[in-house]
Amino acid sequence: GAGVSQTPSNKVTEKGKYVELRCDPISGHTALYWYRQSLGQGPEFLIYFQGTGAADDSGLPNDRFFAVRPEGSVSTLKIQRTERGDSAVYLCASSPGTVHEQYFGPGTRLTVT
Amino acid sequence: LAKTTQPISMDSYEGQEVNITCSHNNIATNDYITWYQQFPSQGPRFIIQGYKTKVTNEVASLFIPADRKSSTLSLPRVSLSDTAVYYCLVGEGYNKLIFGAGTRLAVHP
Repeated sequence: GAGVSQTPSNKVTEKGKYVELRCDPISGHTALYWYRQSLGQGPEFLIYFQGTGAADDSGLPNDRFFAVRPEGSVSTLKIQRTERGDSAVYLCASSPGTVHEQYFGPGTRLTVT
Repeated sequence: LAKTTQPISMDSYEGQEVNITCSHNNIATNDYITWYQQFPSQGPRFIIQGYKTKVTNEVASLFIPADRKSSTLSLPRVSLSDTAVYYCLVGEGYNKLIFGAGTRLAVHP
């Protein structure tokens, strides 16, 4: 079946602009996660949804970052007033919710110039 | 959350067995040990998970001693396609995953 998909695969934006990154989880997966990965480092947790609600947003670096999952399926990560330090690969993962394995998408590479 | 320590990099040759050891001295009673694999330009992929003793699947084996303060991922007869970054994670696993820097495995012909 279809895996986790993320769009766009690449996004280049100018400093100060607003961006939205989309994640389509595996159908039926109730849990959805966002991570950020900088070059040469492991993924860093941002936020976790169980259904429509954010169960844990402790990894969001500041209030410029926000994520939604209004219908419990697709999620959008929103970044306001982007900064060059936001450049990274943003990964989305989903899981059935009660198991330990997370299924990751290919990521969106965000470059802020 | 328990911190993990694993080698930064390893080298091997095709056909050899590779063992990557991870240290997690502060592992909690409810924590599981999970390994993920990541290829360039892809998201991490679940390899194996265990709580104690030994777990084996079609890809790898995971050895966990009785004190659970370390674990060893064993990849039998590696090929060039096993070149990747391998992450050891410790936690209850129901929500966020905490990744370290991982071990970069390079398999040579």
